[in-house]
Amino acid sequence: DGGITQSPKYLFRKEGQNVTLSCEQNLNHDAMYWYRQDPGQGLRLIYYSQIVNDFQKGDIAEGYSVSREKKESFPLTVTSAQKNPTAFYLCASSSAGGSSGANVLTFGAGSRLTVL
Amino acid sequence: QKEVEQDPGPLSVPEGAIVSLNCTYSNSAFQYFMWYRQYSRKGPELLMYTYSSGNKEDGRFTAQVDKSSKYISLFIRDSQPSDSATYLCAMRRGGFKTIFGAGTRLFVKA
Repeated sequence: DGGITQSPKYLFRKEGQNVTLSCEQNLNHDAMYWYRQDPGQGLRLIYYSQIVNDFQKGDIAEGYSVSREKKESFPLTVTSAQKNPTAFYLCASSSAGGSSGANVLTFGAGSRLTVL
Repeated sequence: QKEVEQDPGPLSVPEGAIVSLNCTYSNSAFQYFMWYRQYSRKGPELLMYTYSSGNKEDGRFTAQVDKSSKYISLFIRDSQPSDSATYLCAMRRGGFKTIFGAGTRLFVKA
């Protein structure tokens, strides 16, 4: 079955460490996204990528970095510069970009990061 | 002011009740409206998608969009305990950026 795989499901980080969250999709979608979810705040866009080797900052990109070397993969690195990294991180993808169609997001199961 | 406002609840109803979930928004340029359901510790899954104004029905679920009032609703008929989840409204102008509401937690009691 097609879908989005995020790993790890749970991750613990010490302060000052960088961590990388994996996101892989086999839906043949062009666009991929990273969202952060905090209680009571909904989903906030961190980064998105419309095409391989290209990505744009979302609303809360500070302290995060991404790469898009393959269509299927969009890893997110949470750097030590992110002051409050404890959150639930969601990766998503969509088939159509720009103004066409629904560009409906398909989500992975999420990764919960806790800073100790 | 947030672009999308959604009451976080929680909303608790008895099994079989009709549930009404709502969002308001401030940007009249939004054209695409979605409702996602999210179970605890899981990713959101798409429930309903509507383009522009109007109603859309899918089984026990009905989505309504009133662009003149900047108001969208999701109705759940004959609610079941398995409907207990967080419901997120979402909307887009076009392009890549989807804006989400904060989500409403729903509990359906057996």
